[in-house]
Amino acid sequence: QKEVEQNSGPLSVPEGAIASLNCTYSDRGSQSFFWYRQYSGKSPELIMSIYSNGDKEDGRFTAQLNKASQYVSLLIRDSQPSDSATYLCAVNINTDKLIFGTGTRLQVFP
Amino acid sequence: DAGVIQSPRHEVTEMGQEVTLRCKPISGHDYLFWYRQTMMRGLELLIYFNNNVPIDDSGMPEDRFSAKMPNASFSTLKIQPSEPRDSAVYFCASSTTSGGATDTQYFGPGTRLTVL
Repeated sequence: QKEVEQNSGPLSVPEGAIASLNCTYSDRGSQSFFWYRQYSGKSPELIMSIYSNGDKEDGRFTAQLNKASQYVSLLIRDSQPSDSATYLCAVNINTDKLIFGTGTRLQVFP
Repeated sequence: DAGVIQSPRHEVTEMGQEVTLRCKPISGHDYLFWYRQTMMRGLELLIYFNNNVPIDDSGMPEDRFSAKMPNASFSTLKIQPSEPRDSAVYFCASSTTSGGATDTQYFGPGTRLTVL
């Protein structure tokens, strides 16, 4: 089993809809969870971090964490074509390093 | 403030040649990470340093790969000899420590390596 798993997609949603991206992880000791966005040909950039169970909102983005189910998700409200990118889930395995999922490609069509 | 700087941005070489990738982390960051990204395997951590000391090199694929960090502002990743399966985008990232856990990792623009 991979340490961090994501559906590769593509996930296609119409402009204005909610995009829901999901991630599961295997290490129950994981404490920190991150969502990175990567545009084609560019480097990953952090968009959200979450450390406690529940929801964390930042603008159109909401991260959700459920440690009991080993599940973290990212919701993007009012999706825009500019949100089209690959979204990488990353989990802090120990205090120093991150393990990344292979990413979910999101396509937002007008 | 300049971000993480990597050079070269693109490298095309022939199998068997030595390749050296370079990275300058963000000033003041005490962690430096080297990643490799391919379509098949995604983003893989190769090695990381804390205060210029290699902490975990378990992701380095084999002895052909080596990394150094002679000072706080410079690191290299070397592949000798290179092979076509080393073709990938290599990212360097840096971060600082906050509350006992690493803070946000800031990625450089990457080096796209093609080994013919």
